[in-house]
Amino acid sequence: EAQVTQNPRYLITVTGKKLTVTCSQNMNHEYMSWYRQDPGLGLRQIYYSMNVEVTDKGDVPEGYKVSRKEKRNFPLILESPSPNQTSLYFCASSWTGLTFEQYFGPGTRLTVT
Amino acid sequence: AQTVTQSQPEMSVQEAETVTLSCTYDTSESDYYLFWYKQPPSRQMILVIRQEAYKQQNATENRFSVNFQKAAKSFSLKISDSQLGDAAMYFCAYRSDSNYQLIWGAGTKLIIKP
Repeated sequence: EAQVTQNPRYLITVTGKKLTVTCSQNMNHEYMSWYRQDPGLGLRQIYYSMNVEVTDKGDVPEGYKVSRKEKRNFPLILESPSPNQTSLYFCASSWTGLTFEQYFGPGTRLTVT
Repeated sequence: AQTVTQSQPEMSVQEAETVTLSCTYDTSESDYYLFWYKQPPSRQMILVIRQEAYKQQNATENRFSVNFQKAAKSFSLKISDSQLGDAAMYFCAYRSDSNYQLIWGAGTKLIIKP
């Protein structure tokens, strides 16, 4: 089954404790992206990757890191989480090209206290 | 920079009736794509319908159709014969032809009254 998986689905942590949210897709997609969703703001892009070892900032990259060492994986790293990073996070992937549909993971609900 | 505006934070409709969700966007580009996504309580993002800006014909997917007005930069979603399973947050999104980033509206919560 074609899918994007994220782990964990829920995470409660404390300020400053490094964490990683994993994202994996099994569709051989080149493009992968991380979004955060906050009430009243819709989704905002954090980082994206056009292919292995190619990553770039989105609209809200501060406080986040990513890496793309393998095509299928695109982890999101919070080196020192803060309460303003409490949010719902989505990973998405797609093929590059004009026929474009992004496939979304199930979301990760992160709470930083 | 492109922006997407959904002016209706919440809409409600009686089951089996028709409802229209509004979306406007701002762009200086001529080639782009517009999307409506549905987010049910499960939080999963589900693509409902897609419209290419170069196509004059409005997209239709079963009970879902759009009214795309390029000159007015308007992209509304019409849901016919509303069903209880249509209850969700609906997001309008924009993507240019030169950038893979999706620009999102704030969303409209759709309530279906039985």
